[in-house]
Amino acid sequence: DGGITQSPKYLFRKEGQNVTLSCEQNLNHDAMYWYRQDPGQGLRLIYYSQIVNDFQKGDIAEGYSVSREKKESFPLTVTSAQKNPTAFYLCASSIGSGTGMYNEQFFGPGTRLTVL
Amino acid sequence: SQQGEEDPQALSIQEGENATMNCSYKTSINNLQWYRQNSGRGLVHLILIRSNEREKHSGRLRVTLDTSKKSSSLLITASRAADTASYFCATVTDKLIFGTGTRLQVFP
Repeated sequence: DGGITQSPKYLFRKEGQNVTLSCEQNLNHDAMYWYRQDPGQGLRLIYYSQIVNDFQKGDIAEGYSVSREKKESFPLTVTSAQKNPTAFYLCASSIGSGTGMYNEQFFGPGTRLTVL
Repeated sequence: SQQGEEDPQALSIQEGENATMNCSYKTSINNLQWYRQNSGRGLVHLILIRSNEREKHSGRLRVTLDTSKKSSSLLITASRAADTASYFCATVTDKLIFGTGTRLQVFP
């Protein structure tokens, strides 16, 4: 089965803790993305990566960090510096880099993070 | 910053009726995409229309693009209860930006 997996589905965190969300794809896609979704606000881009060992900030990168050590994996760390981390986090991938990034994106099932 | 805005925000119809959702945007685009999201799930790509195209079809879906008016519409014909979901347009310039979505409810 090809696709994108995210884990865990639900995550609870205490204030002041860092937490890492997993995203894995076996589609052999070059580009991967992290989005945040809040009610009524659509999706906002946190970080994206076009190639292994390289990534760029999106529109709301503050308080987040990523790594891209393997083509298949793009984990997102929500740090204690993120002021309002409770949200639904979606990982996506697309087949191309450069302008090919903006064709069809394939999404994982999401992780719902709640800060207690 | 929000590029695409969907209208209406919410839409309720009966099975068998057609559903039309609109997307307006502000700047010139390379392409426009429509996605579907079931509650609490990831997004699924429905259709991509390029800036030099005016209409595309995929099954019961019909998408139009009017670059002079900077708007697009998604028509779902003969809707089914299973079409209940949120629908997002996403515009592509030098990045892909999602709108806020239309919540569609189809009653059996």
